[in-house]
Amino acid sequence: AQSVTQLDSQVPVFEEAPVELRCNYSSSVSVYLFWYVQYPNQGLQLLLKYLSGSTLVKGINGFEAEFNKSQTSFHLRKPSVHISDTAEYFCAVTRSGGYQKVTFGIGTKLQVIP
Amino acid sequence: ETGVTQTPRHLVMGMTNKKSLKCEQHLGHNAMYWYKQSAKKPLELMFVYSLEERVENNSVPSRFSPECPNSSHLFLHLHTLQPEDSALYLCASSQGIGEGSSPLHFGNGTRLTVT
Repeated sequence: AQSVTQLDSQVPVFEEAPVELRCNYSSSVSVYLFWYVQYPNQGLQLLLKYLSGSTLVKGINGFEAEFNKSQTSFHLRKPSVHISDTAEYFCAVTRSGGYQKVTFGIGTKLQVIP
Repeated sequence: ETGVTQTPRHLVMGMTNKKSLKCEQHLGHNAMYWYKQSAKKPLELMFVYSLEERVENNSVPSRFSPECPNSSHLFLHLHTLQPEDSALYLCASSQGIGEGSSPLHFGNGTRLTVT
C-alpha cells in the first residue's frame, strides 16, 4: 500500500516571496509522483509529474519539484509567488506500471498575502 | 466544449430524494472516475470505469450507483443519501488505467448538500 503525507495544512506567504510545500510518501514499489492544484470552485489541475529520469521536475506557472528517493520526498517549490497562486495543492502518488490507483494527500492551502 | 464537464454544479437534496450527477469528457479518454472530496480528508476514490467496464468499487455504499453508458459519459445515481454524504463530487478521466503515467483530468465538481 502507498500513502502520502502533507504536513502543512496551510501555508501563508507574502507576495514575491519563495515557497516550499512539503510532501512525503511511502511505498514498497517504484512510484510516479504528481502535484495537482485546485483553485476555488474548480476541480484539480495537474501542475507537474515525476515519472523517471531527472529528479528536478518543472511544471506550469513557474513551479518545480524535486524527487528525493532516499528521503521519500517530493517537495514543491516556487521562487516568487503571486496572488494568483492562492489555491490548494495536492501531492499524489501511484505505483509505476500496472493499474493506476492514485493516492492523494490531504492538501495544503497556500495563501499569498499582498 | 473541451475537457471534463460536470452538471449540475450545485445540488441540494433531501434524504428521500433520487438525483443523478452527470459527467462528460471531450478528451477522447477511455477511463473515467468518481472521487469524493470532503473537508480535511484526502480525495476518496469511489469508482473507476475502463472501456465502460467497472474496474473499481471502493467499498462505496449502495446508495451510490454509477453508470457508464459509453467512454465519454459517466453518471452517479443517488438515492436515500445521508447528511454525511454532503461533499464535492469530482469526475475525472484519463487515457488508460494500465499506465501510472497518465494524469487525471478533473471536472469542476458537483457540490452536493444533503438536508
